[in-house]
Amino acid sequence: DTGVSQNPRHKITKRGQNVTFRCDPISEHNRLYWYRQTLGQGPEFLTYFQNEAQLEKSRLLSDRFSAERPKGSFSTLEIQRTEQGDSAMYLCASSLTSGGQDTQYFGPGTRLTVL
Amino acid sequence: AQKVTQAQTEISVVEKEDVTLDCVYETRDTTYYLFWYKQPPSGELVFLIRRNSFDEQNEISGRYSWNFQKSTSSFNFTITASQVVDSAVYFCALSEASFQKLVFGTGTRLLVSP
Repeated sequence: DTGVSQNPRHKITKRGQNVTFRCDPISEHNRLYWYRQTLGQGPEFLTYFQNEAQLEKSRLLSDRFSAERPKGSFSTLEIQRTEQGDSAMYLCASSLTSGGQDTQYFGPGTRLTVL
Repeated sequence: AQKVTQAQTEISVVEKEDVTLDCVYETRDTTYYLFWYKQPPSGELVFLIRRNSFDEQNEISGRYSWNFQKSTSSFNFTITASQVVDSAVYFCALSEASFQKLVFGTGTRLLVSP
């Protein structure tokens, strides 16, 4: 059973460019989450999907951020017109709903550097 | 509002010492879940344990043990006979039944030297 995978692992971009990250969850996991982690901090929730439906979005997710999970499998997170403040590690997690709180398993993350 | 506090920013121990990582949480819900994750230098968060608010039994898994006390809103993590491979950042996290997101503390960096 493979874990959560994320691509690319590293992304360096210039301010103002658009970037897109991909997350492949654990097979058959119906929930998928995106978090952002800056240096010295814990991860902060951005958004989550149950199957293809986006159920919750954080206020951290500005209009420049958009996430999709079109077929309820992999997900993409796009950042438009990147800013230096977007530099962070973007983490994806997945879980299988099973009554009560499910356990989230994380991928290796995509480290974004905006120059 | 949900909040997790890990007051210890960094702890340094020598191999074979026991070490306890503190976690204090705040929540208004009566049903909630607590987690510990390990983040080694590679960066990937590794799940260690999940407890629900109705289960205050302490748990032991090998060299790891967890002490959950609702009276003090704490969920502390002890590593017995620490090893160099335990060096990592450890995060405590909270989730309420009504929300699926995890709220993390700022983490405790553990350095175990030989």
